[in-house]
Amino acid sequence: QAVVTQEPSLTVSPGGTVTLTCGSSTGAVTSGHYPSWFQQKPGQAPRSLVYGTNNKYSWTPARFSGSLLGGKAALTLSGAQPEDEADYYCLVSDGGGRVFGGGTTLTVL
Amino acid sequence: EVQLVESGGGLVKPGGSLRLSCAASGFTVSNAWMTWVRQAPGKGLEWVGRIKSNTDGGTIDFAAPVRGRFTISRHDSSNTLFLQMDSLITEDTGVYYCVGKDSWGQGTLVTVSS
Repeated sequence: QAVVTQEPSLTVSPGGTVTLTCGSSTGAVTSGHYPSWFQQKPGQAPRSLVYGTNNKYSWTPARFSGSLLGGKAALTLSGAQPEDEADYYCLVSDGGGRVFGGGTTLTVL
Repeated sequence: EVQLVESGGGLVKPGGSLRLSCAASGFTVSNAWMTWVRQAPGKGLEWVGRIKSNTDGGTIDFAAPVRGRFTISRHDSSNTLFLQMDSLITEDTGVYYCVGKDSWGQGTLVTVSS
């Protein structure tokens, strides 16, 4: 089973831009790994943000975008808002199943 | 509107069994890929297992830690997904979420302890 790595924590200033990344122990993350991103705020269930590398849902704020960057999946937040402070998880395909990254705690400060 | 409501969590002794339910509305469970995800207290998300839609063969896959102990099934008439958990160990403790049509339930807490 692949080990999926994310930055444990990141800080961004209000209005600033930050990129979260998602790497795999098995090699480069590609679109074939169908990377997805989820947001979880304290005490709440997670919420789906991005699927299939860079596809957003109707409820995903426009300031979030997904991509592939240097062999990793990436989630970029442009114009951070206080309400974006949360844990973010990526999910990638691995064989017949899927694996979550360890999560990134994003602080807006 | 898609809605998922999990139930069936509780306290169980190591070696015991528990069956979780996920009642769905707003879509048909048999036509969707349905996933179970868990979260141990204070920890990150862990992918547990998934059943594909009938049109995609209904294949079931599990993460290594639960393979052989957990099973997934559906009850089409009640539009409900199940997670049967047997031979439970303390490491299975956590909140279990049902995910379908990109929506998440609120979760149900499973505690495995003697």
